[in-house]
Parts: sequence; C-alpha cells; structure tokens
Amino acid sequence: DAGVTQSPTHLIKTRGQHVTLRCSPISGHKSVSWYQQVLGQGPQFIFQYYEKEERGRGNFPDRFSARQFPNYSSELNVNALLLGDSALYLCASSLVLNYGYTFGSGTRLTVV
Amino acid sequence: DQQVKQNSPSLSVQEGRISILNCDYTNSMFDYFLWYKKYPAEGPTFLISISSIKDKNEDGRFTVFLNKSAKHLSLHIVPSQPGDSAVYFCAATNFNKFYFGSGTKLNVKP
Repeated sequence: DAGVTQSPTHLIKTRGQHVTLRCSPISGHKSVSWYQQVLGQGPQFIFQYYEKEERGRGNFPDRFSARQFPNYSSELNVNALLLGDSALYLCASSLVLNYGYTFGSGTRLTVV
Repeated sequence: DQQVKQNSPSLSVQEGRISILNCDYTNSMFDYFLWYKKYPAEGPTFLISISSIKDKNEDGRFTVFLNKSAKHLSLHIVPSQPGDSAVYFCAATNFNKFYFGSGTKLNVKP
C-alpha cells in the first residue's frame, strides 16, 4: 500500500522563479497538510486542507499558495522564490483532521 | 514565536532503560498533542497523540503524559531499543494549525 508520495524529490530553482510541489495522499485520506523544514528546525506549518477546502494557514507570505484536487492530491505553489525558501517541504495526509498525519519523504528545494 | 519548545537537542540512553523526551508549550488553547519520530532522509512518522482533555495515553512501549497546568508534555519509551534512535518531534494543534518543536535526537546505545 503506497504511502504519501511527493514529487519531485529534489529541485533547484533560481531566485524569482515559481515552483510547484505535488503530493499524493494515502488512499482514502482526505486531509493534506504542508510543512517547511529548514535545517536544524522542526517542521513549520504552511497549509492544511480537508475535503478540498483550506482549513488552516500558517504564518507564510502570500507567495505561498496551495490547493487540493477532487482526488485529494495537493499542490503547493511558491512564487517569486527567495534564497530563504530553500528547505525540505513535507506533505502529510490523514483520514480526518488533527489526527495521525502520515508524512511523505519531502521535496528538497534549493533556491540559488 | 516558538509556541512549542524542545529544550534538549539530544539524549543518550542505554538499551533497556527508559527514555524520557520533554516538550513545553506556551499556548493554553492547544487541543491536541502529537509525537513524531524521524529517521534521516525520511518524513516524520506519527507515534502517539493525546487530547488536551486527557493526561495520559499509552501505546505499547510508548506513553505520553500531559501536564496542562505546567504546559508540559513528555514521551516515555520503555524499554528503549537501538531502533528507537531517531529525532523525535512534539507537535501541538490549535484551530487546525500545527506547531512543531525543534526536535530531540535520541541515541539508544546497545
């Protein structure tokens, strides 16, 4: 049974560019959350979606946006990339809100 | 603004002994607390959770204790095994927002 899958696994972008990260939740999971993890820190919450609606948003600028599709997969979009956006971006899915999120292995984004 | 703090960056324990990982929080509105384990090059793995209306939750070798008056959360692992060596994150939720601590690296020595 497939876990949470994220693509791509690694990505290098230039400052000012746009990036789209993708996440496929575990089959049957309806909630997806996105996190940013900078080296040496814990994951920082970006967004939470449930049943295709945004249910939570962390303290990130409007350059960050996300959506959840009818099949419950999700995209995280970041515009006008900055060097400080370089991080591991984690996606997590869960059957219901606020319980037992399963994480993917993440997308390592490097902005140069 | 660090609402969830893990003040011990690392912990070393002998195999078979108890591991106690601690977590402090500042927001009394948190309604759910979770512990995750993370191996290198993998995403965090959910371990155990506890609702804010409880003070203890047990699952096999893992027990989480919640002291709301002290705003303190702890994870006990008994007995500790070498395979438990990983980074442990505590997390708390408030109105669908998640907050993670910075992690504690646990090393269980054989």
